[in-house]
Amino acid sequence: SAVISQKPSRDICQRGTSLTIQCQVDSQVTMMFWYRQQPGQSLTLIATANQGSEATYESGFVIDKFPISRPNLTFSTLTVSNMSPEDSSIYLCSAAGLAGGLDTQYFGPGTRLTVL
Amino acid sequence: GQQVMQIPQYQHVQEGEDFTTYCNSSTTLSNIQWYKQRPGGHPVFLIQLVKSGEVKKQKRLTFQFGEAKKNSSLHITATQTTDVGTYFCAGMTTDSWGKFQFGAGTQVVVTP
Repeated sequence: SAVISQKPSRDICQRGTSLTIQCQVDSQVTMMFWYRQQPGQSLTLIATANQGSEATYESGFVIDKFPISRPNLTFSTLTVSNMSPEDSSIYLCSAAGLAGGLDTQYFGPGTRLTVL
Repeated sequence: GQQVMQIPQYQHVQEGEDFTTYCNSSTTLSNIQWYKQRPGGHPVFLIQLVKSGEVKKQKRLTFQFGEAKKNSSLHITATQTTDVGTYFCAGMTTDSWGKFQFGAGTQVVVTP
């Protein structure tokens, strides 16, 4: 199994600022993802974080707004740029593909973001 | 694009009763996963189904994958208060390897 940590666990930010969320996995994984989840809602995939290359974004999400880094097989960051109250949400990172396989997706504890 | 529908959205269950949540995809899936998210927690992986018609059991939980690999179900018997939470299915298609489309989830409330 994999253990995933996220920092910060929560933050309150001002409109127009940016926040970078860090995701650390205790094992090397093939794939890392970033999701957004509104309270009481389902998970929406923002992007796949690709190691050593640009992230792959889902429809409705763009790199300028959500730049993502993945410098190695255990770490990724998501930045929420030029924030507005609509960006208030829980941001979750996940990892899949321990030892190259794809069977289980592990989720981090999430970052609860509030934008004022 | 691929859509994963999940019903019911809410399930109110008396402790000891059984219930089932259903997941339907608009496209054929290569595999489907089920997750449980407790209130205030993050999704926790329960199981993955890959084969057509596959049935897997985990204690009181029974998971099924349809013959056409477009639907799945989770059946819980003798519900306990520890079953409270939201259950999500997540489907993956062959042309989106590694990326799972999550259903809306079934929020389960258990009455003692």
